[in-house]
Amino acid sequence: DTGVSQNPRHKITKRGQNVTFRCDPISEHNRLYWYRQTLGQGPEFLTYFQNEAQLEKSRLLSDRFSAERPKGSFSTLEIQRTEQGDSAMYLCASSSASGPGPTGELFFGEGSRLTVL
Amino acid sequence: AQSVTQLDSQVPVFEEAPVELRCNYSSSVSVYLFWYVQYPNQGLQLLLKYLSGSTLVESINGFEAEFNKSQTSFHLRKPSVHISDTAEYFCAVQSGGSYIPTFGRGTSLIVHP
Repeated sequence: DTGVSQNPRHKITKRGQNVTFRCDPISEHNRLYWYRQTLGQGPEFLTYFQNEAQLEKSRLLSDRFSAERPKGSFSTLEIQRTEQGDSAMYLCASSSASGPGPTGELFFGEGSRLTVL
Repeated sequence: AQSVTQLDSQVPVFEEAPVELRCNYSSSVSVYLFWYVQYPNQGLQLLLKYLSGSTLVESINGFEAEFNKSQTSFHLRKPSVHISDTAEYFCAVQSGGSYIPTFGRGTSLIVHP
């Protein structure tokens, strides 16, 4: 068990470019979350997967954001036509909870920091 | 809808002093409550949680939190802090009907020697 892995750790891009982040959760964790964190703020929910199904997506998430989790393993978060306001730390977390009920412990990766120039 | 308010953005204390980090939540249904800690240059990790049962929960490093339903609070306390407790602390709530934990903005605990 190597924990939740996120790549790349840092990404600097120019406004208007597309970026993609990858998250490898702890194996056999069926719940996977993406959060965004800006300076001085707590993690803000973006989207949630139960296995390969994307079950919830924040209403704050614009259509420039898309996430996938093929085969219920790793996940990718793509941001198209990046804007300066997209600059943030993108966090991935996974959980072994199954079925309804509390998520229990979320295991977080160290995050992918995006800077849009 | 669920939400979390962490009233203090920063709490400075001296080593060996007691500390309380405040957390209030808003939810119309039953809740599960969590405290996460983020040490410098590390990811968030669970400190303690309340799911059911005893309203007083403890962590392995001396922190405790008490679920108070009437006051909708889940304050985090430690009777004597160490320099190594310096970190960002996040309170989170998950309503009974939701799969999504909602986080507060965080409280920076700064322990001075």
